[in-house]
Amino acid sequence: DTGVSQDPRHKITKRGQNVTFRCDPISEHNRLYWYRQTLGQGPEFLTYFQNEAQLEKSRLLSDRFSAERPKGSFSTLEIQRTEQGDSAMYLCASSPPLLTPSTDTQYFGPGTRLTVL
Amino acid sequence: GQQVMQIPQYQHVQEGEDFTTYCNSSTTLSNIQWYKQRPGGHPVFLIQLVKSGEVKKQKRLTFQFGEAKKNSSLHITATQTTDVGTYFCAGPLWGGSQGNLIFGKGTKLSVKP
Repeated sequence: DTGVSQDPRHKITKRGQNVTFRCDPISEHNRLYWYRQTLGQGPEFLTYFQNEAQLEKSRLLSDRFSAERPKGSFSTLEIQRTEQGDSAMYLCASSPPLLTPSTDTQYFGPGTRLTVL
Repeated sequence: GQQVMQIPQYQHVQEGEDFTTYCNSSTTLSNIQWYKQRPGGHPVFLIQLVKSGEVKKQKRLTFQFGEAKKNSSLHITATQTTDVGTYFCAGPLWGGSQGNLIFGKGTKLSVKP
């Protein structure tokens, strides 16, 4: 496998339910990012992990959102008490270890499309 | 707050015509990256520019980074239907950990055969 994978690809849920998404980064990549993308917009940064440490979290991220990367490999993003405004594509990306400023390439997964009814 | 703006939002061209999208940042950037997202797909990295005034070419694509490192452009010569998609520029998120990016809203390119 050479790419970032995400599961599920699509999720339909009712308002108020909890959902969890999984991301498996490229195996050598120790940096992992979660983004949210809505129609007509660019990806919006949510949170960042380096190995198992969550180093950054967007101020826009509600307390209903939580992310983990317990062993520094796969990551999960959980949304509690979903709202209709949470409907979006949730993208995961990974990057190799930081060596120089020119190696910030992010490799995106196919995304999980969430629809909250 | 920090902003990355792209124009135009949409561009419709006839196959064979040239296409240019422009990216402007509210802050000086240490580097700028370009991504392409095909319809229904996910962003795919195209290139990273680091030096002031840098120009890089990839076949029919030419990327420029402004002298002040606050703007960039992507030019496609003689567009093909395979160029269809949304082109995003992205720069480091100010105050964020290295590698965190802020994306523009993108320019959606459609190519009429």
